[in-house]
Amino acid sequence: EIVLTQSPGTLSLSPGERATLSCRASQSVSSSYLAWYQQKPGQAPRLLIYGASSRATGIPDRFSGSGSGTDFTLTISRLEPEDFAVYYCQQYGSSVLFGGGTKVEIK
Amino acid sequence: EVQLVESGGGLVQPGGSLRLSCAASGFTFSNYWMSWVRQAPGKGLEWVANIKEDGSEKYYVDSVKGRFTISRDNAKNSLYLQMNGLRAGDTAVYYCARGRWLQYFYYFDYWGQGTLVTVSS
Repeated sequence: EIVLTQSPGTLSLSPGERATLSCRASQSVSSSYLAWYQQKPGQAPRLLIYGASSRATGIPDRFSGSGSGTDFTLTISRLEPEDFAVYYCQQYGSSVLFGGGTKVEIK
Repeated sequence: EVQLVESGGGLVQPGGSLRLSCAASGFTFSNYWMSWVRQAPGKGLEWVANIKEDGSEKYYVDSVKGRFTISRDNAKNSLYLQMNGLRAGDTAVYYCARGRWLQYFYYFDYWGQGTLVTVSS
């Protein structure tokens, strides 16, 4: 079974900085088969990226996704105050699988 | 506007049962796969179950097979999760989510606010 490992566990950055989040799969997955979600405390997850690099409706262009095979990246070009949250990657093979999450916190 | 509103959560004893509901609006419910995803307190997301548009296909995570049943009523725009034989490990916020397919890739484009299920004596 594929395992998704997200790193780092916590990312401490200041507003305006660039955030780079990693999601690594234990086996190669299709280049399109990855999504990213944002979750703020007490809220439901929100879809950011699907198909590895396509932004969901209403998602600002400071969010971008890239990668293929086993290594995927979510980049937030310039952190806004509302971007501090937990981010999850998700893959679909024989079933739905989520990574463990990366918390982006204010430094 | 797409809306998903869960209900039915609460406190239940180990071995007990609970039925969760999700009321959908703002889209043609019968055209979409639907899912349940849960999140234990302070933990990450875990997919629970999927159901096809017409209810003819259902899939579950191994840990709930034989105990949970996903179903839907397209006439009522509603999704359900019947949970039997509940265990402490089932304690979580349960989210209803709309599923989308991109070729063979399944993901979730809208989520409800969740309903908390607590299994404890």
